[in-house]
Amino acid sequence: SQTIHQWPATLVQPVGSPLSLECTVEGTSNPNLYWYRQAAGRGLQLLFYSVGIGQISSEVPQNLSASRPQDRQFILSSKKLLLSDSGFYLCAAVGQGTDTQYFGPGTRLTVL
Amino acid sequence: AQKITQTQPGMFVQEKEAVTLDCTYDTSDPSYGLFWYKQPSSGEMIFLIYQGSYDQQNATEGRYSLNFQKARKSANLVISASQLGDSAMYFCAMREGLGSGYALNFGKGTSLLVTP
Repeated sequence: SQTIHQWPATLVQPVGSPLSLECTVEGTSNPNLYWYRQAAGRGLQLLFYSVGIGQISSEVPQNLSASRPQDRQFILSSKKLLLSDSGFYLCAAVGQGTDTQYFGPGTRLTVL
Repeated sequence: AQKITQTQPGMFVQEKEAVTLDCTYDTSDPSYGLFWYKQPSSGEMIFLIYQGSYDQQNATEGRYSLNFQKARKSANLVISASQLGDSAMYFCAMREGLGSGYALNFGKGTSLLVTP
């Protein structure tokens, strides 16, 4: 079965600083990968998804970007954080031949 | 338009009782999948159960079952014999066809509290 790692677990950053969140997947190859954001007390909003190396699709216009430099690595970045970027960021993966998304433990980001 | 609707912001159930969490969905795609996830206070999203649009039988996984009523577009989660550890947020989600690389649309969630 697949395992999804995310780091860091928590992060406090000042407004205007850069951001890099990392997600790696074990136990499957060529997965579909996703970044979601969850605001406090809300459901999940899809930010980006990737069906392969270097292939990134964005679902909402925003201050963030994503990259997939390796098959099982997905990175969420920002050049300058905004207060509105605060939230809980979850990485998810769907393995080949399956239909179920599994999630990592998440990163809680606070922008001050 | 909201694709997944969870009308119960919060629910209470007594330990060992059964509870039903409601979910309705909206899609015109004949091929879709419905999922339920549990999110405890730690934040991790835990997959519970899946129902495909073409599945004839209601899905079951241990104490979890999905009451799938296709004509009514509802996919309610039933938890039998509730335990204190079931206290958490529960999210219903839908995957439509092949769009968005199988990304999910989530409802706003239902907070479940299991009392002794």
